[in-house]
Amino acid sequence: DADVTQTPRNRITKTGKRIMLECSQTKGHDRMYWYRQDPGLGLRLIYYSFDVKDINKGEISDGYSVSRQAQAKFSLSLESAIPNQTALYFCATSDSGTGAPEQYFGPGTRLTVT
Amino acid sequence: QKEVEQDPGPLSVPEGAIVSLNCTYSNSAFQYFMWYRQYSRKGPELLMYTYSSGNKEDGRFTAQVDKSSKYISLFIRDSQPSDSATYLCVPSNTGNQFYFGTGTSLTVIP
Repeated sequence: DADVTQTPRNRITKTGKRIMLECSQTKGHDRMYWYRQDPGLGLRLIYYSFDVKDINKGEISDGYSVSRQAQAKFSLSLESAIPNQTALYFCATSDSGTGAPEQYFGPGTRLTVT
Repeated sequence: QKEVEQDPGPLSVPEGAIVSLNCTYSNSAFQYFMWYRQYSRKGPELLMYTYSSGNKEDGRFTAQVDKSSKYISLFIRDSQPSDSATYLCVPSNTGNQFYFGTGTSLTVIP
């Protein structure tokens, strides 16, 4: 089984709808991240969490919110989806205890907002 | 100025060629320099990383960092079709925040 899983893998939704993307990990890592990837723009950080009670905004947090329900679960919500939120979304984890700057990514969620 | 600049390519080479992928960065505080590989429709995976300046070799892959010129390179020897992917350079200052390049698309032709 994959260490970092994301659900759903694909989603098409309409403008104005609320949508939640979920991420779960079995790696036991304390840090979790949400990124979006757009062609020509690379990965951009939306939110990150260094532990269950810690939530931080990233480079492009407007229009998004997150919830860290447990160490292993980190959800991303779009309260009112708009077409320019169409992108590939990745969840990632890292372990602060190793001292190594490694992130482990999930398989991604392809979101289309019509 | 962007934190990281990376030529998007695409780069196409014959099997067995030596590939050179490069990035420049602007923040002199960066200490960690990662290379991620991303296959189509997959999440990025860490290929290798270096700390500070110098070279690091792992099989057919060599990562090189020149902090004086803020230049990062990844060399692939004896390239294989399985190396066809997008390569992302990712510097970091403390290992807490990561700055992703836009990626270079590589195709190795059999």
